[in-house]
Amino acid sequence: SAVISQKPSRDICQRGTSLTIQCQVDSQVTMMFWYRQQPGQSLTLIATANQGSEATYESGFVIDKFPISRPNLTFSTLTVSNMSPEDSSIYLCSATGLAGDYEQYFGPGTRLTVT
Amino acid sequence: GQNIDQPTEMTATEGAIVQINCTYQTSGFNGLFWYQQHAGEAPTFLSYNVLDGLEEKGRFSSFLSRSKGYSYLLLKELQMKDSASYLCAVKGYSTLTFGKGTMLLVSP
Repeated sequence: SAVISQKPSRDICQRGTSLTIQCQVDSQVTMMFWYRQQPGQSLTLIATANQGSEATYESGFVIDKFPISRPNLTFSTLTVSNMSPEDSSIYLCSATGLAGDYEQYFGPGTRLTVT
Repeated sequence: GQNIDQPTEMTATEGAIVQINCTYQTSGFNGLFWYQQHAGEAPTFLSYNVLDGLEEKGRFSSFLSRSKGYSYLLLKELQMKDSASYLCAVKGYSTLTFGKGTMLLVSP
């Protein structure tokens, strides 16, 4: 199994600023993802974080707004740029691809409030 | 693309059995997952089906019919702690797409 940690766990930010969320996995995983979960909603995939190359973004999400890094097999960051109140959400890191393990694991999430 | 449907809410009584249905239409299928999510917490894995049939794990069972694009999660001997949102998710080529979730309320 894999254990995923995220920092910060929560933050309150002013509009127009940026926040970088860190995700650390305790095992080497093949794939890492970033999801958003708005209040009362399900999870929406933002992007797949690719090691050593640009992330693969889903429709409706762009690199300028959500730059992502993945320098190695166990670490990734998501930046929420030029924030507005509409970005208030929970951001979850996820990982899969442990040898012989089909499960997709989730971090505890980062609760972001933009004022 | 992916289209996943599940009921928004369900209620049941402690000790009872409840079945949560999920239908899906996908381009590419590499398995169907069920997750449980309590309010304010991350989703936790419940089950995975990639072949047709029933998978049983303790009080939880999950069924898949690929030809019908249909799955269900069966929860037996319901407990109060089972009150949570249950998320159906389909794995396409490499990514997981979630349904909107079913909020289950278990009452005494």
